[in-house]
Amino acid sequence: ELKVEQNPLFLSMQEGKNYTIYCNYSTTSDRLYWYRQDPGKSLESLFVLLSNGAVKQEGRLMASLDTKARLSTLHITAAVHDLSATYFCAVDNQSTSGTYKYIFGTGTRLKVLA
Amino acid sequence: DAGITQSPRYKITETGRQVTLMCHQTWSHSYMFWYRQDLGHGLRLIYYSAAADITDKGEVPDGYVVSRSKTENFPLTLESATRSQTSVYFCASRRGAGWNSPLHFGNGTRLTVT
Repeated sequence: ELKVEQNPLFLSMQEGKNYTIYCNYSTTSDRLYWYRQDPGKSLESLFVLLSNGAVKQEGRLMASLDTKARLSTLHITAAVHDLSATYFCAVDNQSTSGTYKYIFGTGTRLKVLA
Repeated sequence: DAGITQSPRYKITETGRQVTLMCHQTWSHSYMFWYRQDLGHGLRLIYYSAAADITDKGEVPDGYVVSRSKTENFPLTLESATRSQTSVYFCASRRGAGWNSPLHFGNGTRLTVT
C-alpha cells in the first residue's frame, strides 16, 4: 500500500534562512507533485516532477525528485513571510484495478518569522 | 464559469443523519477524488473515480458512499453521520492519469457533526 511521509511536520524559520522539506514514499512511482495550501484555503499546484533527477524551480522554491531513493525535496531559499503556508507532496500510483490513486503526505506547516 | 465547485460550503448535521456533499466540474476531467482533511492527518483519500460508473476505495472509505453517473458530478454521501466524520472535505479532479496533470481542487466543505 502506498504511503507518503513528510518531514518535518512543522517548521518555524527566520526570514532569509534556507531549509528543506522532505517527502518519502513507499512504492515505485515516477511522478510526484507538490502543493501549497494557505490557511482556510484550498490547495494549489506548485510543481509536477515526472522523472528521476527532475528539478523544478519557481522563485525561492526548488523541488527535486530521486525515484531510486523514493525521495523528493522542496528547498526554500532565503525565506520570506509570504511563503508561510502548508506544503504537501503527493504521489499517484496504479492500483490493482488499473486506476490511479493519488495519495498525499501529511503536510509541512511552514511559518516564516520576520 | 469553468472550474470545480463544491456545495454546501458549510454544513452542520446531527449524528445519525444522512448528508450528501456535492461536487461538480466543468472540464470533463475523467478522474475525480474526495479527500478529508484533519489536523495531523493531512489529506486522506476517501474515494476516487476514474470515469463515469467507475469508482474505487481510497484510504478511509468506511461510512461513505459515492456514485458517478455523469462525468461532471461526484457526490459523496455519509449514510449515518458520526462525530468522527467532522472534517473539511475537498473534491478534486484531473485529466486522465496519462496526462501527468496535477489535481484541481474545489473550495472545500466544512462539515460539523453534532
